[in-house]
Amino acid sequence: EPEVTQTPSHQVTQMGQEVILRCVPISNHLYFYWYRQILGQKVEFLVSFYNNEISEKSEIFDDQFSVERPDGSNFTLKIRSTKLEDSAMYFCASRGPKGYTFGSGTRLTVV
Amino acid sequence: SQQGEEDPQALSIQEGENATMNCSYKTSINNLQWYRQNSGRGLVHLILIRSNEREKHSGRLRVTLDTSKKSSSLLITASRAADTASYFCTLSGNTPLVFGKGTRLSVIA
Repeated sequence: EPEVTQTPSHQVTQMGQEVILRCVPISNHLYFYWYRQILGQKVEFLVSFYNNEISEKSEIFDDQFSVERPDGSNFTLKIRSTKLEDSAMYFCASRGPKGYTFGSGTRLTVV
Repeated sequence: SQQGEEDPQALSIQEGENATMNCSYKTSINNLQWYRQNSGRGLVHLILIRSNEREKHSGRLRVTLDTSKKSSSLLITASRAADTASYFCTLSGNTPLVFGKGTRLSVIA
């Protein structure tokens, strides 16, 4: 069964540092998403990406965040100048004809 | 975006019992999906039911959909400790998927 792969599984970073979370979507999927889940809270939509551009983003996805598909296989989420409240699980998903597939997530801890 | 609301928020049962959780929504849908999330892990797609379907089965899972009442239910039969997780319903009409608070199921061995 095809999978969405996320790396790293756990990232610890100092407040103010930049982080890049990586995702490899399923190869024939065209729609890509990032979600986050703060500990004990709901899974929240961040951004969707199609045809090499952002198609929709939530209020959470401010100028601190950016997404990129640099090489046709990876899909990255960059967080500039991380804050303590950015600590969360970040999930990547891709969508194809049969629906969504989520990755196992990256646990980001900002200290 | 559309959101389903799961009920109850938490459910605790003995291993071997059946677990039923419900989802209500307010808008029209193309289909409804149920996902499972084990603690601290990713979201696993369980089952999709289309708006023209009333019931669907997958292994120990049975999903019903009542579009007139805008509600769905997920039944897990003969529950196991490994079924302990949070369960979410999501609506597909327009993307992206929106998740509610879910039902937190605890299956006690």
